[in-house]
Amino acid sequence: DTVLTQSPALAVSPGERVSISCRASEGVNSYMHWYQQKPGQQPKLLIYKASNLASGVPARFSGSGSGTDFTLTIDPVEADDTATYFCQQSWNDPYTFGAGTKLELK
Amino acid sequence: QVQLKETGPDLVQLTQTLSITCTVSGFSLTTYNVHWVRQPPGKGLEWMGAMWNGGGTDYNSAFKSRLSISRDTSKSQVFLKMNSLQTDDTAKYFCARLTNYGGYYFDYWGQGVMVTVSS
Repeated sequence: DTVLTQSPALAVSPGERVSISCRASEGVNSYMHWYQQKPGQQPKLLIYKASNLASGVPARFSGSGSGTDFTLTIDPVEADDTATYFCQQSWNDPYTFGAGTKLELK
Repeated sequence: QVQLKETGPDLVQLTQTLSITCTVSGFSLTTYNVHWVRQPPGKGLEWMGAMWNGGGTDYNSAFKSRLSISRDTSKSQVFLKMNSLQTDDTAKYFCARLTNYGGYYFDYWGQGVMVTVSS
């Protein structure tokens, strides 16, 4: 299975820029997607196919990368962005998710 | 608007069978794909399997032959059935719509149903 590795946690101050990384154990082309999950809620799509902003998602969110290395960037970070962020690949079978990066605000 | 809603038991006994229904609205099961994803408490997401719009299914081999996914298009429902439940099957189970318009991603999710496997 394709393993997606994310850093476990990050802490930033409101107004700053934060980059959340996701590294795949094998190539996934550009079929990497990003989700935001707040406690007790379902995941919400932010970015699809590496760099495409999902409908209704603020332009503060952006994505980049291809192959094995991907990044989700939030600039500027707002208090409401406190959540866990998951990457997910749909190039290789089975679909897999990263373990999530918990973003906390200082 | 697009909605997915899971219904199922809160508690299942060890070694018994779990059955969850995902009822969708705002789209057709013959146009879009519905998948199942689970999340143990405090942990990450695990893809379980798929009901494709053409009626075919795919399963994560991690679930071997325990898992079965089916549908009733007339009722806009997708069903998950998993047998031989163990305590590590305790999780929140989500159904999610997979769109292939631009990359095979989950654009809508149900709220999930939390299932506890009790010994």
